[in-house]
Amino acid sequence: QLQLQESGPGLVKPSETLSLTCTVSGGSVSSGSNYWGWIRQPPGKGLEWIGNMFYSGTSYYNPSLKSRVTMSVDTSKNQFSLNLRSVTAADTAVYYCATTATTTRTIDYWGQGTLVTVSS
Amino acid sequence: DIQMTQSPSSVSASVGDRVTVTCRASQGISSWLAWYQQKPGKAPKLLIYGASSLQTGVPSRFSGSGSGTDFTLTISSLQPEDSATYYCQQANSFPLTFGGGTKVEIK
Repeated sequence: QLQLQESGPGLVKPSETLSLTCTVSGGSVSSGSNYWGWIRQPPGKGLEWIGNMFYSGTSYYNPSLKSRVTMSVDTSKNQFSLNLRSVTAADTAVYYCATTATTTRTIDYWGQGTLVTVSS
Repeated sequence: DIQMTQSPSSVSASVGDRVTVTCRASQGISSWLAWYQQKPGKAPKLLIYGASSLQTGVPSRFSGSGSGTDFTLTISSLQPEDSATYYCQQANSFPLTFGGGTKVEIK
């Protein structure tokens, strides 16, 4: 059973970069069965898909965030990461790391989520 | 991008009632639709994929139907533990997109 755990700062200043890491256990980020990605949820609001990445480097990003997002996979640590540049208060949200099955494109496993607040 | 529209935004029903949530895609997505359940403070949980296939371990009172642009999630007999927000998600193409959510409350 795959387990995912987010880690990173809970508070980021406006205009800085939000950086989160997801550690995977019970499976390998080198698996060809999954994309690795991020979804966020502003407080009291709905879900927003940020993007997915395949271990080979192929990536897909939400067009509304594409200019500010970078994702990467570290197979040696069995982790993947999110960088979101030039953040504003609108980026305050619970950030979930998750796996998306390559065959069904359903989000099968989720981390517990981590609240990131953008504030000075 | 494919836009997903859910209705209603909230519904209140009694234990044992049949509850229906609808989801409409802005363009045809065949059966590339999933449903998730989210309880407060928790990550969403996959309930249904392929519009009508039940994820392992999900109670059989949950069912999904539809294809093309119109989809339905049905809870045949509402239970107290079903109080949650439900989201649809199109899986036809990237970017993946979600509906706005439907909050199901118990009267």
